[in-house]
Amino acid sequence: ETGVTQTPRHLVMGMTNKKSLKCEQHLGHNAMYWYKQSAKKPLELMFVYSLEERVENNSVPSRFSPECPNSSHLFLHLHTLQPEDSALYLCASSQDRRANTGELFFGEGSRLTVL
Amino acid sequence: KNQVEQSPQSLIILEGKNCTLQCNYTVSPFSNLRWYKQDTGRGPVSLTIMTFSENTKSNGRYTATLDADTKQSSLHITASQLSDSASYICVVSGRAGNMLTFGGGTRLMVKP
Repeated sequence: ETGVTQTPRHLVMGMTNKKSLKCEQHLGHNAMYWYKQSAKKPLELMFVYSLEERVENNSVPSRFSPECPNSSHLFLHLHTLQPEDSALYLCASSQDRRANTGELFFGEGSRLTVL
Repeated sequence: KNQVEQSPQSLIILEGKNCTLQCNYTVSPFSNLRWYKQDTGRGPVSLTIMTFSENTKSNGRYTATLDADTKQSSLHITASQLSDSASYICVVSGRAGNMLTFGGGTRLMVKP
């Protein structure tokens, strides 16, 4: 198994749908992250969880709702998305939330298309 | 404002040739700089990390340099292979807090 696993790898949804992205890490890390990667733009941090507690929310619209039931699992619940939300959503983990010392380990990403 | 600028945005080279990717940053105070490789449709993978006191670090055919005075880093790829085709992302970490600043990446294509 890879260190960080994301499902589904591809998702197509309508603007009125509700779907969820799932991330699981097998590295024993204490911090998990959601990033959004749009074409020709740098990665954008969406959410950070440390020991299951959300510590950062970079002004992400409420149509994105994260959930971290334990230190190994992270979800991103999607509701009434817009076409501009189409992007690659990357999950990452690190030993702790001191990102300035630790390496981020990324999953393969979930490619989301909103019609 | 912390920024990381990478150049060129895209690059095409022939297999076996060398190339150099550039990263300029304004992050201060500086903690470290990482280069990530992201294959198409995959997540980024760390290639190397440079701290303030390091000037050069190699990882196989990849050599990263850092000039903390001019706030510049480069990633040199020697004897390129088709598998080097990917996006290369420069990520700078500041000592203040946990903020990471990502560059927009350089998309490299190696042709046979």
